[in-house]
Amino acid sequence: NAGVIQTPRHKVTGKGQEATLWCEPISGHSAVFWYRQTIVQGLEFLTYFRNQAPIDDSGMPKERFSAQMPNQSHSTLKIQSTQPQDSAVYLCASSFRTDQDTQYFGPGTRLLVL
Amino acid sequence: GDSVTQTEGLVTLTKGLPVMLNCTYQTTYSPFLFWYVQHLNEAPKLLLKSSTDNKRTEHQGFYATLHKSSSSFHLQKSSVQLSDSALYFCALSPNAYKVIFGKGTHLHVLP
Repeated sequence: NAGVIQTPRHKVTGKGQEATLWCEPISGHSAVFWYRQTIVQGLEFLTYFRNQAPIDDSGMPKERFSAQMPNQSHSTLKIQSTQPQDSAVYLCASSFRTDQDTQYFGPGTRLLVL
Repeated sequence: GDSVTQTEGLVTLTKGLPVMLNCTYQTTYSPFLFWYVQHLNEAPKLLLKSSTDNKRTEHQGFYATLHKSSSSFHLQKSSVQLSDSALYFCALSPNAYKVIFGKGTHLHVLP
C-alpha cells in the first residue's frame, strides 16, 4: 500500500497564475479531505468528499479555490489567480468511510507563490 | 458550535519527565476524539483515538482518557524522549460529516 500520494511535492508559481494540486487516496478509501497548513494558522480544513460527492466545503475560500473528485482514485485542488497568502503546505488525507475513521495523510504539496 | 481547544502552543521539557498536553472540546454530539502527531517535514499520523467515556487508550507510550463529563481528552506520557519532539494535534469528530482540528501543540524535548 503506497499510502496517499500527492503531486507535485513542491510548486512555485508567480502571483496571478493558476496552481493545480493532485491527490490519490488510498485504494478502497471513500473519504478524501483537503487541508492547508501554515505556521500562523495551523492546520485548516478546506473540503471533504465522500464517494466522490462533496460533503463539506465550508473551509474553502469562496473565490479562487475549487476542488473536484472526478473518480475514486484522484482529487484535485485548483487555485486560480494565486496570491502570496496562498503559500502553504496543502495536505490531502483519506479515510475508509467517514470523518470518524482514522485519516491517513499524504506528504503534502508545498506551494510558494512569489 | 463544535470546537476543540489546545491551550498550549509550545511545551518544552527535559527528557525523562512526564508530559500532559491539554485538549478540551465542545459538542452536543457523542464524539470521536483523536490525537495526531506530526514530526518535522512529515505528514500527521494518528497516535490515539477514542469514543468511549472513561476508558484509557494507549499507543507508543502515550495515553489519553476521554472524559465526557469534563469534555477533555488530554494526552500524557510518563517519560518523554527526544524523539517525541513534534507537533501534536487534538481533533474532534462530532458526527460522520465533520472533523475539527485544534491549533496544535509543539512539544520540544531537551537532552
